[in-house]
Amino acid sequence: QVQLQQSGPGLVKPSQTLSLTCAVSGDSVSSNSAAWNWIRQSPSRGLEWLGRTYYRSKWYNDYAVSVKSRIIINPDTSKNQFSLQLHSVTPEDTAVYYCARGAAPAPFDYWGQGTLVTVSS
Amino acid sequence: DIQMTQSPSSLSASVGDRVTITCRASQSISSYLNWYQQKSGKAPKLLIYAASSLQSGVPSRFSGSGSGTDFTLTISSLQPEDFATYYCQQSYSAPRTFGPGTKVDIK
Repeated sequence: QVQLQQSGPGLVKPSQTLSLTCAVSGDSVSSNSAAWNWIRQSPSRGLEWLGRTYYRSKWYNDYAVSVKSRIIINPDTSKNQFSLQLHSVTPEDTAVYYCARGAAPAPFDYWGQGTLVTVSS
Repeated sequence: DIQMTQSPSSLSASVGDRVTITCRASQSISSYLNWYQQKSGKAPKLLIYAASSLQSGVPSRFSGSGSGTDFTLTISSLQPEDFATYYCQQSYSAPRTFGPGTKVDIK
């Protein structure tokens, strides 16, 4: 059974960096058939895909245009996890952040439990 | 980006009712359409993928249909545990986008 377990702070100050980690069990982040995604949800923006990392003989990343200049998603194969860093956050980045497995065109079939991140001083 | 719309945005129904939710894509997405159920405070749960394939473990009262731009999620006989918000999502092209959701509550 695949499980994704998220960790990270729930409060970030404006202009600082949001950092979350998603630990994977039951699958490998280095899988040649999976992709590892970050998705957020807010009342104003709904469910919004942010980006992904995946391995196909080498590592690739894709990011949403809306956050492309501020986001980094990195795999950590030694711990079988992946991370999200979102720089220069503003209150508009306040949302519940989810990690999820899914390689297009496959759906997001396994999700983390979600982390409410509030951007506030 | 492909825009996804859903109707209705909310509905009230009774246990045992047949419920239908519609999702429309701004361009053809073939059958690359997925449905999720989300309960309050929880992550979305995959119900239907590729427009009509039932995810393992999901009750057979859930079904999906459609192709191209118009899709439907049907709950044949609404159960108490089905009161939730339902989202469609396209996996045809990047970025993968979600509909705004349909909230199903108790009449």
